[in-house]
Amino acid sequence: EPEVTQTPSHQVTQMGQEVILRCVPISNHLYFYWYRQILGQKVEFLVSFYNNEISEKSEIFDDQFSVERPDGSNFTLKIRSTKLEDSAMYFCASSPLSYEQYFGPGTRLTVT
Amino acid sequence: KNQVEQSPQSLIILEGKNCTLQCNYTVSPFSNLRWYKQDTGRGPVSLTIMTFSENTKSNGRYTATLDADTKQSSLHITASQLSDSASYICVVSARFSGGYNKLIFGAGTRLAVHP
Repeated sequence: EPEVTQTPSHQVTQMGQEVILRCVPISNHLYFYWYRQILGQKVEFLVSFYNNEISEKSEIFDDQFSVERPDGSNFTLKIRSTKLEDSAMYFCASSPLSYEQYFGPGTRLTVT
Repeated sequence: KNQVEQSPQSLIILEGKNCTLQCNYTVSPFSNLRWYKQDTGRGPVSLTIMTFSENTKSNGRYTATLDADTKQSSLHITASQLSDSASYICVVSARFSGGYNKLIFGAGTRLAVHP
């Protein structure tokens, strides 16, 4: 069964560094999403992406964040200058035209 | 403001027992309501999805109900197993023009099933 994959599973970075989190959505899906979950807290919506542009973004998704679908298969989330409070699990999800979203296993980002 | 509230925050039950988890929401425009199971350190996995017109939906030992008038949902787990130990998250989807869905997550109920 096709699934969303994410790499790396765990990323450790120093404050102020740039990180890129990678996702490979399910191949025939058209909508792509990033969510984050700070340890012990609820999952929060970051951004949705469709037709090579951002459809919606939350207040969390500020200028430090960007998304890209560089090659038709990968979907990336870039954090330009990481802060301690960016430490969280980041989940990618994708969906076809229907409303079901399929989540990847997540990338644990630790900012030191 | 779009919100999803869940209760209880945590629950401990004995293996084989039943339990019911609650979800209240204020989300607009409402598209559907989902229950997810999330194991520690893993991504959420969908258990059920219900649209406005559906009152109940089952998936094995999981049965979800939806009352769209009162904006309440419940997830009933029958004959619990040790592997049911996880967080159960109520997620309400708002559907916008263009076809994409914005998911609003509850904080989850942490269920522990003890032998």
